[in-house]
Amino acid sequence: GAVVSQHPSRVICKSGTSVKIECRSLDFQATTMFWYRQFPKKSLMLMATSNEGSKATYEQGVEKDKFLINHASLTLSTLTVTSAHPEDSSFYICSATTSGSRVGELFFGEGSRLTVL
Amino acid sequence: RKEVEQDPGPFNVPEGATVAFNCTYSNSASQSFFWYRQDCRKEPKLLMSVYSSGNEDGRFTAQLNRASQYISLLIRDSKLSDSATYLCVVALNTGFQKLVFGTGTRLLVSP
Repeated sequence: GAVVSQHPSRVICKSGTSVKIECRSLDFQATTMFWYRQFPKKSLMLMATSNEGSKATYEQGVEKDKFLINHASLTLSTLTVTSAHPEDSSFYICSATTSGSRVGELFFGEGSRLTVL
Repeated sequence: RKEVEQDPGPFNVPEGATVAFNCTYSNSASQSFFWYRQDCRKEPKLLMSVYSSGNEDGRFTAQLNRASQYISLLIRDSKLSDSATYLCVVALNTGFQKLVFGTGTRLLVSP
């Protein structure tokens, strides 16, 4: 299957700082990538859809100025959590799909666990 | 009401047992349905799609009941390696990429 790499896998930062998470499709071009957030014992929640070369589409309730998404190339999307607060501590995971994948098949990165102190 | 609801479990079963999970969804306009598997602290991976006529893949059988808005997954002859969290996933429109995930049902298969 297609490979999606996410970095960093873990990050700890101080409140008020910004954190950037990278999501790369390693062996395919991903015109669309998705960013999810998962709190403990909760379901994966779609935050935004990232389209290469255009603005991301954010889900209701997700602050676009706080969670900046950039999809500058067909293999890289970044999520920047700006002015992070402890309540932003969560598991952030990206995913992508490719034209050759099965219906409904998303390829997920390994996830990034953010802890804001 | 949650869009996709699952019993979180855990379901503890011995090797060789048959186990079934159910999932309900709230949006009757949902178009596509899937089961994903997520191992501990790993990313989710597609296990199988769920079709109206039901479908089988080896030891795994998935069924859809649109009238009652529920989906099921049956695992026969459980293996230790089946231990994982099984996520029920629904696509709300024909653009299948926008997926809604349940919280998952945890399965523990013991020797």
